This record gives sequence, C-alpha cells and structure tokens, in this order.
Amino acid sequence: EIVMTQSPATLSVSPGERATLSCRASQSVSSNLAWYQQKPGQAPRLLIYAASTRATGVPARFSGSGSGTEFILTISSLQSEDFAVYYCQQYNNWPPWTFGQGTKVEIK
Amino acid sequence: EVQLVESGGTLVRPGGSLRLSCAASGFTFITYEMSWVRQAPGKGLEWLSYISSSGSTIYHADSVKGRFTISRDNAKDSLFLQMNSLRVEDTAIYYCVKGGSYWPFDYWGQGTLVTVSS
Repeated sequence: EIVMTQSPATLSVSPGERATLSCRASQSVSSNLAWYQQKPGQAPRLLIYAASTRATGVPARFSGSGSGTEFILTISSLQSEDFAVYYCQQYNNWPPWTFGQGTKVEIK
Repeated sequence: EVQLVESGGTLVRPGGSLRLSCAASGFTFITYEMSWVRQAPGKGLEWLSYISSSGSTIYHADSVKGRFTISRDNAKDSLFLQMNSLRVEDTAIYYCVKGGSYWPFDYWGQGTLVTVSS
C-alpha cells in the first residue's frame, strides 16, 4: 500500500498571501496524483489531477506540480473561500487508492 | 450536471446491517467506474470500495472486506453498498464517488451519515 504524507498539518496564512502544501508518496506514483479541497460540512471537491491539471471551474490561482514521490499544491493568492482542508490522493497503484491525512489552511 | 445523491444512512446497532444507495444523473452511468469513500467524524478520507463500469471487477479495503459489498444497477443508474456486521468504528459519512482505477474521484455526492452505536 502506498502511504501519502502531507505537510504541514496546519498552515496559517493571511489573505492575499501564497500557500504551499506538500504531499509525499512512499513510492513513485508517476503523475497519478490528485488534490481535493474540503470545506466544513461539504463533500470534497476535485481541484487538480494528473499532478498539475486543474479540474473544470478551478481558478487559476491553484496550481500543482511534481511527479514520482514529491508533489506541491500552490495557492498563489489566498482568497477567503480558500480556507479549507486539502487532501492529496494517489491513483497509480491500487487497490487501495490512498489519501494523505490532509492539510488545514487557516486564516492567520 | 453530474449529480450523485446518497441515501440510507441512519443509526444502527453494532452487528447490524444497512444498505446505502446512490442515484446518479447527468452522465452516462454505465460507462464509468464508481467508488465509495468514507470520512469518520473529524478524520480524513478513506477509500472503501470500487466497482468497474460493468460490475465485473470489485475491490474492497481490508477494513471492510468480508463485511461490505459494492454493487450497481446500470439499468437504474444506481450504486449500492451493503454493509453487514457493522462496528462502532464504521461510524462515518459515506460518499458515493465517480471514478477509480487510473482516474481521480472527480465527482462526489453530498454524503450520508451512518452512525453505529448501542
């Protein structure tokens, strides 16, 4: 089973600032990596897939990078609606499909 | 517009059974793989079950193998999760999700809450 590890667990950022979230896989997942955003009381929403492709309707301030075992999600200028929990997930080696434990982006 | 609407979540006693349903619309259900993902209160996301478009290939997480069974009815655009021998630790929101294999989980239902408690 591939273990996904996200860091940091919590990221405190001021509105308008840049946020950088990390995700590491225990073995290579190629570019088969997705990022999801989850707001309180809501279902997760797909943001990024194939490591760097934005899903439909996702603002350009969200970008993903990386391949193999190291991945980054960047939010270039945080808006109020971006404060949420972000999960990475690999879909290269399955079953199981595995998620990271999440990074909470909170207002500083 | 893709819509996934779960139902069937409720309070159930440990050892009990429950069947969750998911009604899909807005896409050609028969051509897509589907999955169930759950989230325990205050915790992260856990993939549970996968079913291929035809229903011929099924996988379950070790945590539910032998207790949960995923199925689908392509004629009715519906996905199901039969849950037996429920445990307190199965308490979670259960999400019906479009996707699996080499594709991300691109659409999620709103979730249905299953509470296992005596």
